[in-house]
Amino acid sequence: AQKVTQAQTEISVVEKEDVTLDCVYETRDTTYYLFWYKQPPSGELVFLIRRNSFDEQNEISGRYSWNFQKSTSSFNFTITASQVVDSAVYFCALSEARQGAQKLVFGQGTRLTINP
Amino acid sequence: DTAVSQTPKYLVTQMGNDKSIKCEQNLGHDTMYWYKQDSKKFLKIMFSYNNKELIINETVPNRFSPKSPDKAHLNLHINSLELGDSAVYFCASRPGGSYNEQFFGPGTRLTVL
Repeated sequence: AQKVTQAQTEISVVEKEDVTLDCVYETRDTTYYLFWYKQPPSGELVFLIRRNSFDEQNEISGRYSWNFQKSTSSFNFTITASQVVDSAVYFCALSEARQGAQKLVFGQGTRLTINP
Repeated sequence: DTAVSQTPKYLVTQMGNDKSIKCEQNLGHDTMYWYKQDSKKFLKIMFSYNNKELIINETVPNRFSPKSPDKAHLNLHINSLELGDSAVYFCASRPGGSYNEQFFGPGTRLTVL
């Protein structure tokens, strides 16, 4: 069975600090996909990034970066120079690689609070 | 302009009632989903439809019945509402190809009194 663990329930930092959100996953599939979603206080779910299991390249998008390490089954997310607007609940998710029936299995979420 | 829309946004009702939540997507996607987010923010899939055909049906009480009249719509009907059904329900859609992200609606907060 697939499982995603986000061990950090809550993180609180001061603005401009760097912060890393951890994500560890379990799957028996050799091909799978990983995602990060953001849920701001307004409640919607915003897609941030996806990765397939064959692509271990790290990705940087502005202040956001993602580190995918298959050897440790981790897909961590770092925010550099955090801002108050980054305050949200962040979810890591995993799906199997099947046509049609892509089911997202979510981690428990990490509530990130950026204090001014 | 809205990609995935849900109505209503808030739903407050008494135990034992029957209610429906509607979802529409204008993205032309083939696959739609219902997820439930509980009070601890945990998100879990409930159902998925692909081209109006049910393809995922997780362990959900049969009081919950999804209906897909066409590819762009996926509604959720709940019979005999219980206190434990209080949650935020999210609809999502996804284009074909399993390596595509899901696009989520704004959510419907259901409160059962």
